[in-house]
Amino acid sequence: NAGVTQTPKFQVLKTGQSMTLQCAQDMNHNSMYWYRQDPGMGLRLIYYSASEGTTDKGEVPNGYNVSRLNKREFSLRLESAAPSQTSVYFCASSEAAASQETQYFGPGTRLLVL
Amino acid sequence: QKEVEQNSGPLSVPEGAIASLNCTYSDRGSQSFFWYRQYSGKSPELIMSIYSNGDKEDGRFTAQLNKASQYVSLLIRDSQPSDSATYLCAVNIAGYALNFGKGTSLLVTP
Repeated sequence: NAGVTQTPKFQVLKTGQSMTLQCAQDMNHNSMYWYRQDPGMGLRLIYYSASEGTTDKGEVPNGYNVSRLNKREFSLRLESAAPSQTSVYFCASSEAAASQETQYFGPGTRLLVL
Repeated sequence: QKEVEQNSGPLSVPEGAIASLNCTYSDRGSQSFFWYRQYSGKSPELIMSIYSNGDKEDGRFTAQLNKASQYVSLLIRDSQPSDSATYLCAVNIAGYALNFGKGTSLLVTP
């Protein structure tokens, strides 16, 4: 039982390049989330998927797109990377998108945009 | 923007002492409260969750919630050097939304 896994662990991009961050969970959770963490800013929600087939914007969605590929997988795409997107990206999952549900985090992807 | 405020620290306590971490939140509609621990370079991991006013104890950890004062705290008894980490307070308003504080850095000195 691996929990939440993310690939890649680390990536360097040039401005304007695109990439997809992958996330998978094996806990049979319905809800999945993408956060970014920046120094002095805390964790901020980018997009979430309450259930398979649905996605919604979070606090900071600009410059990102997501795909809920199936119940297990939720990807985050940067179409044209910008230096402002340099951050650590965490994927999380929970049994449901409900107030008392614990969110479990993956190990993170560290992204540097030059 | 619904705020979750934490003192950034660092909070330094000697080994064996009680560490007290505090968090205030602005939205009175907040329903659930979580404390996550994050070691440097690692992902957040859940320490405690609390939903009702009062205290909730789990081993060396006690979470305290006071909805009237919009205040949630985490006490760590018998602090150990391995407790040195950043502690994130997260508040769930409704459904999916977890608002995180910026975290308090805790240093436990031998």
